[in-house]
Amino acid sequence: KNEVEQSPQNLTAQEGEFITINCSYSVGISALHWLQQHPGGGIVSLFMLSSGKKKHGRLIATINIQEKHSSLHITASHPRDSAVYICAVRPDYSYSGGGADGLTFGKGTHLIIQP
Amino acid sequence: NAGVTQTPKFQVLKTGQSMTLQCAQDMNHNSMYWYRQDPGMGLRLIYYSASEGTTDKGEVPNGYNVSRLNKREFSLRLESAAPSQTSVYFCASRVLAFREETQYFGPGTRLLVL
Repeated sequence: KNEVEQSPQNLTAQEGEFITINCSYSVGISALHWLQQHPGGGIVSLFMLSSGKKKHGRLIATINIQEKHSSLHITASHPRDSAVYICAVRPDYSYSGGGADGLTFGKGTHLIIQP
Repeated sequence: NAGVTQTPKFQVLKTGQSMTLQCAQDMNHNSMYWYRQDPGMGLRLIYYSASEGTTDKGEVPNGYNVSRLNKREFSLRLESAAPSQTSVYFCASRVLAFREETQYFGPGTRLLVL
């Protein structure tokens, strides 16, 4: 069974700090997503990774396929970054029960950035 | 583009009542999904539709039915609601282009079953 584990579950930091959120998964994947969920509940896609590294503004996402691990980094964190960050993976076809589509999600990391 | 829209935003049901959650996307995506989100758990896939006219079960399909009415719309029906179906329901669509995929989520429907 595919498991997606995120750490930490909760993180409180001061404005300006460098933030790292980790995601580990247990099966082969074709894609990994980082998502952001604000207190209002809406979910927004931040990144899709299949290899390497991506950067968008102050956000950087990396993935190590061999180690089945990804990290999301936030540089110069700001209170508006406060949200739940969710890691989700799309298992390789061989792990997906022969056709089941859809993502497997971690439980999320609740991030609070204090001014 | 409105993206992915869901109705209603909130609903309270009594045990045994039925209702349909509506979802529509205006991005011409083939793949659409229904997920539920419960406290302390990751989102879980209920049903998905890879294209118009096809639907398949996900991880937690019991107690639900779906209809892919056309390419735009994908509805989720609770025939006889149970308290265990109290949750936040998200509809999503997916586009795959040049080996890059993007997921688009609706705003969610909060459902309380008494």
